[in-house]
Amino acid sequence: ETGVTQTPRHLVMGMTNKKSLKCEQHLGHNAMYWYKQSAKKPLELMFVYNFKEQTENNSVPSRFSPECPNSSHLFLHLHTLQPEDSALYLCASSQGAGKLEPQHFGDGTRLSIL
Amino acid sequence: QKEVEQNSGPLSVPEGAIASLNCTYSDRGSQSFFWYRQYSGKSPELIMFIYSNGDKEDGRFTAQLNKASQYVSLLIRDSQPSDSATYLCAVPDRGSTLGRLYFGRGTQLTVWP
Repeated sequence: ETGVTQTPRHLVMGMTNKKSLKCEQHLGHNAMYWYKQSAKKPLELMFVYNFKEQTENNSVPSRFSPECPNSSHLFLHLHTLQPEDSALYLCASSQGAGKLEPQHFGDGTRLSIL
Repeated sequence: QKEVEQNSGPLSVPEGAIASLNCTYSDRGSQSFFWYRQYSGKSPELIMFIYSNGDKEDGRFTAQLNKASQYVSLLIRDSQPSDSATYLCAVPDRGSTLGRLYFGRGTQLTVWP
């Protein structure tokens, strides 16, 4: 398997549930990212990990909790989400975390909060 | 907040025509720019990276950068129905040492047969 793989592809959850999104990259990259894509809005960066260390938290509410156990895997733990959190969540990776490094995206998890 | 502006479209062109997609940015010091293509229900896919002023060509795609006017454009020659997608412009945050990208809302392109 190659590229960036995200699971599940679709997730429906209630506001009191706890769930996790998973991302795995098979590109040998060292940096991984979580983005949120809402309808009619630009992609928003949520978190950046470089060599497993969180290096960026873009003022994301604490109901989103990232975890990066190694350079190939990235999780986003969700709890007590709000309806406005319904969106497409995209994972990306790049060789490094520099400005000129192209980022490669997974197909995303479509999240719906009831 | 750095801003990246794109015309959301939809932009509709006939097959074989040139599609022109534009992106303006607010940070005058921005040095590099990315163009991503996103098919409906799919992930953004990098199609072009441009760093210096002028044109960069890759197959049917040409990126044009004009730093003085703060815009970057993407031209698609001989447009095909398979080019129908949303095109995202992205600009790295100069204030970040990391890979923070600012994205535009995207321009939806439809190429009709």
